[in-house]
Amino acid sequence: QKEVEQNSGPLSVPEGAIASLNCTYSDRGSQSFFWYRQYSGKSPELIMFIYSNGDKEDGRFTAQLNKASQYVSLLIRDSQPSDSATYLCAVNQDSGYSTLTFGKGTMLLVSP
Amino acid sequence: GAVVSQHPSRVICKSGTSVKIECRSLDFQATTMFWYRQFPKQSLMLMATSNEGSKATYEQGVEKDKFLINHASLTLSTLTVTSAHPEDSSFYICSAESRSGGYNEQFFGPGTRLTVL
Repeated sequence: QKEVEQNSGPLSVPEGAIASLNCTYSDRGSQSFFWYRQYSGKSPELIMFIYSNGDKEDGRFTAQLNKASQYVSLLIRDSQPSDSATYLCAVNQDSGYSTLTFGKGTMLLVSP
Repeated sequence: GAVVSQHPSRVICKSGTSVKIECRSLDFQATTMFWYRQFPKQSLMLMATSNEGSKATYEQGVEKDKFLINHASLTLSTLTVTSAHPEDSSFYICSAESRSGGYNEQFFGPGTRLTVL
C-alpha cells in the first residue's frame, strides 16, 4: 500500500513568518514529488515539483527532498493571508501512467 | 499554457438520472487523463486513469459500470455517472498529463460539483 502522510493541521502562522509543511511517503521507489495548493471549493493548483535530493527554490517557496528519509517538505517564506489554504503533497512512482498518490493535506492558516 | 477545463462546473440532478462531465485540455494534447473524486474535508481519491483510444483503468472499489469513462480524443475525456444516487454527490476533478523535459506533470481542471437529490 503506497501511502503519503501529512499532518492535517491546521498549521497557524502569523503574517510574515515561515510556514513549514511536511510530508512522508512509504514507497522507496517514488521518483517525483509535487506540492499542490487547494483553496476551499476549488481544484488543486501546482505550486512546485521536485525530483532530486536537496532544495529547490521558486520565489517564496522552497521544496526540500530527502529520499533516504523519505520525506519532502515545503517552506513558505513571508507567509501572507492569501497563502491560507490546504496544501497537498503528491508522490509519483513514474510507472508510465504517472499515477499520483495524494496525502490528505495540511491546512495552513496565516493570520494578519 | 497547460489549461484544463471541465463542464459543467456545477450540476444538480434527481436520483436515478445520469450525468456527463467533460474534461478538455485546451492548449495541449493529453494521452492520459485522470478522474478524481473528493468528499468534503477529504483528500483527492483517484477513480480511474483514462487513456486515449483504450479502456480506462479503474481503481479498486470504483464501479466501472457506474462511472463510464470515454477518452475519444487527445483533448477530451468524459465521465458519465449513471443512475446517480445521493451518495454520489461529490466534487469530481479531472487532470490531464503533460510531458515536458522528460517529466510528467498533471494539470487539474476546475472541478465539477455534483449534487444528487
